[in-house]
Amino acid sequence: NAGVTQTPKFQVLKTGQSMTLQCAQDMNHEYMSWYRQDPGMGLRLIHYSVGAGITDQGEVPNGYNVSRSTTEDFPLRLLSAAPSQTSVYFCASSRPGVENNSPLHFGNGTRLTVT
Amino acid sequence: SQQGEEDPQALSIQEGENATMNCSYKTSINNLQWYRQNSGRGLVHLILIRSNEREKHSGRLRVTLDTSKKSSSLLITASRAADTASYFCATDARGTYKYIFGTGTRLKVLA
Repeated sequence: NAGVTQTPKFQVLKTGQSMTLQCAQDMNHEYMSWYRQDPGMGLRLIHYSVGAGITDQGEVPNGYNVSRSTTEDFPLRLLSAAPSQTSVYFCASSRPGVENNSPLHFGNGTRLTVT
Repeated sequence: SQQGEEDPQALSIQEGENATMNCSYKTSINNLQWYRQNSGRGLVHLILIRSNEREKHSGRLRVTLDTSKKSSSLLITASRAADTASYFCATDARGTYKYIFGTGTRLKVLA
């Protein structure tokens, strides 16, 4: 199994450009989520999904859109990139089950720089 | 604001010593998890403790949970240089699927 795969690994954007960060998992996990990690800030939840067709906002959703058309994929869209969105982005998935007693599986991250 | 806050922010110890880091959170939870991150890579799950458990062990790891104080601690015994990493706690507010992470503890183990 590949686990959680994120593409691209690195990306440089100019202010105002749009792009999509890809996340795919092959573990048939219902739950998927996106985090951003800034220096000294830990991970902050952007959006999450508990199944195909269902998405919800996390702690810092502004400037980001998501959709979940399949169980496997959970893309994150930046509609108009801003320098404040320079960060490392992590995708994670799990099979929550009863009382969420399932660990998160993380991808290796996408390092995004907005100039 | 973030659900979890780790303490200390940074910890430097000698190889063979024990390392203790603490996590505080704000709301009722289903469980609390600890993760490890090496050099900005993806996080790796270490251990999960349920809200009705008080202590759990896994190898050299010992986790305690005090729901009355909304706090948890992670103890790494007989630390090794390879344990050098950042450690994060994560909680899910009861009734939600929001897994919220703390700011992390940066552990450095000196050989």
